[in-house]
Amino acid sequence: DAGVIQSPRHEVTEMGQEVTLRCKPISGHNSLFWYRQTMMRGLELLIYFNNNVPIDDSGMPEDRFSAKMPNASFSTLKIQPSEPRDSAVYFCASSIRTINTGELFFGEGSRLTVL
Amino acid sequence: AQSVTQLGSHVSVSEGALVLLRCNYSSSVPPYLFWYVQYPNQGLQLLLKYTSAATLVKGINGFEAEFKKSETSFHLTKPSAHMSDAAEYFCAAITSGTYKYIFGTGTRLKVLA
Repeated sequence: DAGVIQSPRHEVTEMGQEVTLRCKPISGHNSLFWYRQTMMRGLELLIYFNNNVPIDDSGMPEDRFSAKMPNASFSTLKIQPSEPRDSAVYFCASSIRTINTGELFFGEGSRLTVL
Repeated sequence: AQSVTQLGSHVSVSEGALVLLRCNYSSSVPPYLFWYVQYPNQGLQLLLKYTSAATLVKGINGFEAEFKKSETSFHLTKPSAHMSDAAEYFCAAITSGTYKYIFGTGTRLKVLA
């Protein structure tokens, strides 16, 4: 299995630009999570999808952030417009929801730098 | 509310020495507990998990953790540290029937030659 695949691995952009991060979860996994990791705040859950439906987006910091999961094999996290404080590593993770104790499988992350 | 506390944001040990990383959880219902490891520029990988079976859980790379309900702890240990163990370690908890994993703030392990 290829694991969770994220792209791009690194993104450098200027303030005000739109950023789109992409995630392909592990085939057969029905839960998908987007996390943000910073030195100051650690790991923060941004949004959780189950069977492609957003269940909890309470962690999305502002309306500038949006996430979609059009099908079971693809999700995007969009920031528009981006700001320097959005600089962080964004992780996508997937799991099998039907198993309560299922582990999270993380992608390698997308490191975002907003200048 | 459930929480996970990791004591010590940085831990240094000598190569060959015992590794002990501490994790305490706060929950009225014993949760399922996990330890994840993050190597530089990588995502988190599962080391081991406790799911109410055996209280002593063995994981990959020689790590193990013991669930102690009386102490609400789930400390991670390894008898002999190796240079390749240098990484950041996260303790996490999830309550049965929920989806929200609660992560600790992480402990960065440094192994000295």
